[in-house]
Amino acid sequence: DGGITQSPKYLFRKEGQNVTLSCEQNLNHDAMYWYRQDPGQGLRLIYYSQIVNDFQKGDIAEGYSVSREKKESFPLTVTSAQKNPTAFYLCASSVVGGAGATDTQYFGPGTRLTVL
Amino acid sequence: AQSVAQPEDQVNVAEGNPLTVKCTYSVSGNPYLFWYVQYPNRGLQFLLKYITGDNLVKGSYGFEAEFNKSQTSFHLKKPSALVSDSALYFCAVRDMLMYSGGGADGLTFGKGTHLIIQP
Repeated sequence: DGGITQSPKYLFRKEGQNVTLSCEQNLNHDAMYWYRQDPGQGLRLIYYSQIVNDFQKGDIAEGYSVSREKKESFPLTVTSAQKNPTAFYLCASSVVGGAGATDTQYFGPGTRLTVL
Repeated sequence: AQSVAQPEDQVNVAEGNPLTVKCTYSVSGNPYLFWYVQYPNRGLQFLLKYITGDNLVKGSYGFEAEFNKSQTSFHLKKPSALVSDSALYFCAVRDMLMYSGGGADGLTFGKGTHLIIQP
C-alpha cells in the first residue's frame, strides 16, 4: 500500500447524494486507475488516466466521474446516477512504458462505500 | 478481448504442504500476467509478474508461478504453506496486442481464490 493513500477508509452515503473518494500517490507515476470490487466478482475497471488532464472510461464508468488536475491526484465521484454504489473502491497507479504500455499497478488501501 | 479464469473459489492446504492456486487466461496477443494478494479490508499487494523470458517466475514471500503458453495457464505455487499465507489471491492479465496501438488500458482480473492454510 505504500505511496498511495485513499480517504476516507469508510464512507456512508444517503441515496441521491454524490460523494467523492480521494486518491493520492507520491510514487511519481503517470498512470492512475480506479477499480470497484464486489464479493465474488473480482475487480472491475471504472476509469483510468495516463496523463494529467486526460482520462478514459473503463468497463463500468456509468454513474462515476473523475478528474486529473494534478499528477499526484485522481479523485473519483460516485454520482446519484450510480444505482448500486455499495462496494469496495481501489485506486492504483503505475509507470507508463513505451507505446503506451504500462507496468505493474500498485494499489492503495481502499475505501468502503456503503449506501444507507 | 482478454479474460482470466480462476476455477477454484477456495483452496484448503495444511500448513507445511505445497500449495497451488490455478489461473488460466485468454488473450489475442502476448500476455502480461500478474498475481496479487489481498488481506481482509486491505488493498492488493503485488506478488509477481510474467512479461517474457523464463517460464518460472519467482516473487515475494516465497511464491512462484509457472507460465505455460500451450495450456494458457499461470498457476501460483509455494513449496511450503504458512498459516499467514491465508488470503484472497487474484490473477490478472493484460493483452499486449491491445496496447501497442495506444488502446484501452487496465488489468483484467479473475474473481479471486480464497486460500486457507490450516494449522
